[in-house]
Amino acid sequence: DTAVSQTPKYLVTQMGNDKSIKCEQNLGHDTMYWYKQDSKKFLKIMFSYNNKELIINETVPNRFSPKSPDKAHLNLHINSLELGDSAVYFCASSLKLTGGNYEQYFGPGTRLTVT
Amino acid sequence: AQSVTQLDSHVSVSEGTPVLLRCNYSSSYSPSLFWYVQHPNKGLQLLLKYTSAATLVKGINGFEAEFKKSETSFHLTKPSAHMSDAAEYFCVVSDRLQAAGNKLTFGGGTRVLVKP
Repeated sequence: DTAVSQTPKYLVTQMGNDKSIKCEQNLGHDTMYWYKQDSKKFLKIMFSYNNKELIINETVPNRFSPKSPDKAHLNLHINSLELGDSAVYFCASSLKLTGGNYEQYFGPGTRLTVT
Repeated sequence: AQSVTQLDSHVSVSEGTPVLLRCNYSSSYSPSLFWYVQHPNKGLQLLLKYTSAATLVKGINGFEAEFKKSETSFHLTKPSAHMSDAAEYFCVVSDRLQAAGNKLTFGGGTRVLVKP
């Protein structure tokens, strides 16, 4: 029973294409996230949704558009892919708690390669 | 603003010897601190977390970390390394009182190599 799942696991595409990555969690969490891990393993948050509402939106090109159809799903659509978008993208989920933090549970990652 | 510095990008230990991974943090408010591990081509797994309770935190697989506010440190230790501990380790900070969600800030990672 996978807690946080992502599809696809690998994605190879050409510059200029549009692609989507899907994420689903079955933990009953109300908050979901997208992170980008670059070639040097550095991880940085991109977006966060709480109950389908965008609550964190870091400095990310507007070619990246997250969509949350319900609180168990958070998809990432990328338009006009560029070489620099090549990275591993991780989805995560947690509960949102005022005055405290619950840990985030991560998916297995999607390795995006733009050629 | 919050930040994390992992003082060693690589650590090499022999199997059966202690492991020490160093982490210093900066946080404007009361921090929550985490250690995550990433095995090759895998996702991230939570090892342990500190959220203002006991300052010595025990995690999975024999790891533990001590929160030292005066030193702004949260070093990770294990008394005896196992071959399966070879992985990338991330120290992570989150401000518990921030309004805008549960934003994690990651350190640059420490790669652990375990020699037989």
